[in-house]
Amino acid sequence: SAVISQKPSRDICQRGTSLTIQCQVDSQVTMMFWYRQQPGQSLTLIATANQGSEATYESGFVIDKFPISRPNLTFSTLTVSNMSPEDSSIYLCSVETGATEAFFGQGTRLTVV
Amino acid sequence: GQQLNQSPQSMFIQEGEDVSMNCTSSSIFNTWLWYKQDPGEGPVLLIALYKAGELTSNGRLTAQFGITRKDSFLNISASIPSDVGIYFCAGRQGAQKLVFGQGTRLTINP
Repeated sequence: SAVISQKPSRDICQRGTSLTIQCQVDSQVTMMFWYRQQPGQSLTLIATANQGSEATYESGFVIDKFPISRPNLTFSTLTVSNMSPEDSSIYLCSVETGATEAFFGQGTRLTVV
Repeated sequence: GQQLNQSPQSMFIQEGEDVSMNCTSSSIFNTWLWYKQDPGEGPVLLIALYKAGELTSNGRLTAQFGITRKDSFLNISASIPSDVGIYFCAGRQGAQKLVFGQGTRLTINP
């Protein structure tokens, strides 16, 4: 398994601003993943973050809105840019071990007002 | 994209009762995972299944990988108040991304 720490755990932000979420893992991992969980919904993959290359975004998500950094094998950031109330969600960082099991951080609960 | 149909969407039970929930897919998966999410937390992995027909237990939880590889179920025996939460199934084909079910919200009346 892996221990994943996310910061901040929650935030309330003004529309039009940006928030950067940090994810720190206690071991080196090749791929890190960012998910969005809208209120009362399931998890939706935003992008896969590989160290040393650009993130791969899923359909409906673009780099300008959700820029991702992956400077090393234990750390990644997700920025939610130019926020609107529709961006209010839980954002989750995840890593996978052996390409099978996925482990999640505690999430960042974002409220945009 | 691929979807998993998870049912029921919600359950209201009495403490001590057994619980059963399942996930079905139109596609074959070679990995099934079951997670529990508490309020304000990320999902926590409960059970991982890798083989058709596999039956795996984790304490009072038992999960099975369906023989057709298109379904999985999770049972909780003798429920207790800390079982309250949202349970998600997730499936994977090969090295492809995980696909999640819509979740089952479990509420327990003491």
